Amino acid sequence: EAQVTQNPRYLITVTGKKLTVTCSQNMNHEYMSWYRQDPGLGLRQIYYSMNVEVTDKGDVPEGYKVSRKEKRNFPLILESPSPNQTSLYFCASSSTGNYGYTFGSGTRLTVV
Amino acid sequence: AQTVTQSQPEMSVQEAETVTLSCTYDTSESNYYLFWYKQPPSRQMILVIRQEAYKQQNATENRFSVNFQKAAKSFSLKISDSQLGDTAMYFCALMYSGGGADGLTFGKGTHLIIQP
Repeated sequence: EAQVTQNPRYLITVTGKKLTVTCSQNMNHEYMSWYRQDPGLGLRQIYYSMNVEVTDKGDVPEGYKVSRKEKRNFPLILESPSPNQTSLYFCASSSTGNYGYTFGSGTRLTVV
Repeated sequence: AQTVTQSQPEMSVQEAETVTLSCTYDTSESNYYLFWYKQPPSRQMILVIRQEAYKQQNATENRFSVNFQKAAKSFSLKISDSQLGDTAMYFCALMYSGGGADGLTFGKGTHLIIQP
């Protein structure tokens, strides 16, 4: 089944403890993106990647890192999480076919 | 920079009614794609409908159709014969052509409630 897999689905952590949210797609898509969703703000892009080793900042990149060492994986790294990073996070991928993005199931992150 | 605006934070209609969700956008590009995504309580993002900006014909998918007005930069979603399962957040999104290498720009969403 074609899909984007994110893990974990839920995560509660403490301020300053480094964490990684994994994202993997099995569709051989070139493009991948991370978004955060907050009430009243919609989805805002954090980082995106056009291909292996090619990444760039989105609208809200502060406090996040990403890497794209393999085409299928695009992990999101929070090196020192803070409470304002409490949010719902989505990973998504797309091909060059203009059919839109396929989304993962989301990761609900709470930083206390 | 492109922007997408959804001016209706919440809407409520009775089952079987027709409802229209509004979306306006701003972009300097001439070739782009517009989408409506549905997010039910399960929080999964589901693609509802897609419109190519260079096509004048409005897209339709079963009970879902759009009214695309390129000159006015308007992209509304019409849901006919609404069903309880249509209750969800709906997001309008813009993507540049070429697969959207730099991702999607979303509106803030409209919470649609279908009343029994």
